[in-house]
Amino acid sequence: DSGVTQTPKHLITATGQRVTLRCSPRSGDLSVYWYQQSLDQGLQFLIQYYNGEERAKGNILERFSAQQFPDLHSELNLSSLELGDSALYFCASSVGGQGMEGETQYFGPGTRLLVL
Amino acid sequence: GQNIDQPTEMTATEGAIVQINCTYQTSGFNGLFWYQQHAGEAPTFLSYNVLDGLEEKGRFSSFLSRSKGYSYLLLKELQMKDSASYLCAVRDNYGQNFVFGPGTRLSVLP
Repeated sequence: DSGVTQTPKHLITATGQRVTLRCSPRSGDLSVYWYQQSLDQGLQFLIQYYNGEERAKGNILERFSAQQFPDLHSELNLSSLELGDSALYFCASSVGGQGMEGETQYFGPGTRLLVL
Repeated sequence: GQNIDQPTEMTATEGAIVQINCTYQTSGFNGLFWYQQHAGEAPTFLSYNVLDGLEEKGRFSSFLSRSKGYSYLLLKELQMKDSASYLCAVRDNYGQNFVFGPGTRLSVLP
């Protein structure tokens, strides 16, 4: 158990809908990362937050947005869902800052999203 | 452009040593990461290199040469449980984006 929690574990929805995925980082971790993993695309970095502020941005679609709240939990919002958005969405957290300790990421179990 | 190359598959024997290579071409460099992922599970962070040289962590070591755009992950005393995919990722300077390689599927045989 990494200490990172994600809810829900599974989500089935229809095209055009909007969903929210939630992540609670490990106690004391300030950074949260979101990743998408699909069979044909591999693991893709979406976005990183550090202490409530956006720190890094990857290949995140405009239909997707995220935020990190004052209690450091994070939510990933996916809207106007398409069939191709079906994937595993992972959240990870780290202490943040420089060096090995700051950069070591702990992954949650993931949310499996199926868009029908 | 951004490009990371890794071998697709490797096979090794229990107790042996295996080296998984990663070459990269990215827009700047701000650290290289290795992850392990067992089928159907979440990735596990293995190592982080930002300076040239070797980082050792138990049975796993990771090496980086920034001038050559090259890294390797060295796994010693292989165990059956090391059968997994190993992902190399680079964080670039522009936007601090993580660029992932396709992953190397390692099979450890008895």
